[in-house]
Amino acid sequence: GIQVEQSPPDLILQEGANSTLRCNFSDSVNNLQWFHQNPWGQLINLFYIPSGTKQNGRLSATTVATERYSLLYISSSQTTDSGVYFCAVLNNAGNMLTFGGGTRLMVKP
Amino acid sequence: DAGITQSPRHKVTETGTPVTLRCHQTENHRYMYWYRQDPGHGLRLIHYSYGVKDTDKGEVSDGYSVSRSKTEDFLLTLESATSSQTSVYFCAISDGRGNYGYTFGSGTRLTVV
Repeated sequence: GIQVEQSPPDLILQEGANSTLRCNFSDSVNNLQWFHQNPWGQLINLFYIPSGTKQNGRLSATTVATERYSLLYISSSQTTDSGVYFCAVLNNAGNMLTFGGGTRLMVKP
Repeated sequence: DAGITQSPRHKVTETGTPVTLRCHQTENHRYMYWYRQDPGHGLRLIHYSYGVKDTDKGEVSDGYSVSRSKTEDFLLTLESATSSQTSVYFCAISDGRGNYGYTFGSGTRLTVV
C-alpha cells in the first residue's frame, strides 16, 4: 500500500513563529488532505489539496503531486494551533485513506 | 462535528463481550468509514461502506464486523472484545463525488478490561 511519512515528528514553537510541516508519499494519489487533531481529540479537516496551493487564514498548503510531497505552512503560530497535524492520502481506487504518523506541534505562549 | 455523531463517547467493557459502536450522519453522504487510532500506529482503516448494505474491509478488519442498513447509520461490532481492541474509534464520512474531503466524528474511547 501507499506509504506516508511526515516530518518532523515533534515541533515546539514560540507563539508568533512560523513553521513548515512536510508530507512525503510513495505513490501517485488522487487526493491529499491535511487534518488537525486538537488536544481534545477532534479531527478537523484543514485542506483537501491533491495539487497546487491553497490558503486559509494563517494556514496554507502546497502539494507537488509529481514529486510526491505536500507542505503545510503555519504562520504567526498561536497556542490554539497546538495538537497533531496529519497528512492523509487516498489511493487511486478511491477506497482507502492512508494517514501519516503525524507531527505533534506545541506552541508556547 | 456537525452532521456526524458517534455513540457512545466512552465505553468500558469486559473481554469476551460483544460491543457495538454507532455512527450516525445527517449529510446523506454515500461513503462511511471506521478507523481506529492507537499510539505509534496513527489512524488505520477497519471497514468502510460505499452504500446501503455495501461494505468492504480495510487494513485492520480482523475481529470486527460492520452493517449499514440505512444511509445514515453505520455500525461497528466487536463480536468478542479483546484487550488489543482497546482504542479510540473514529467514524468518517465523505461524499465521494470528486471532492473526497472527509469529515470525522468526535470518536469513541473503548477500553476492554
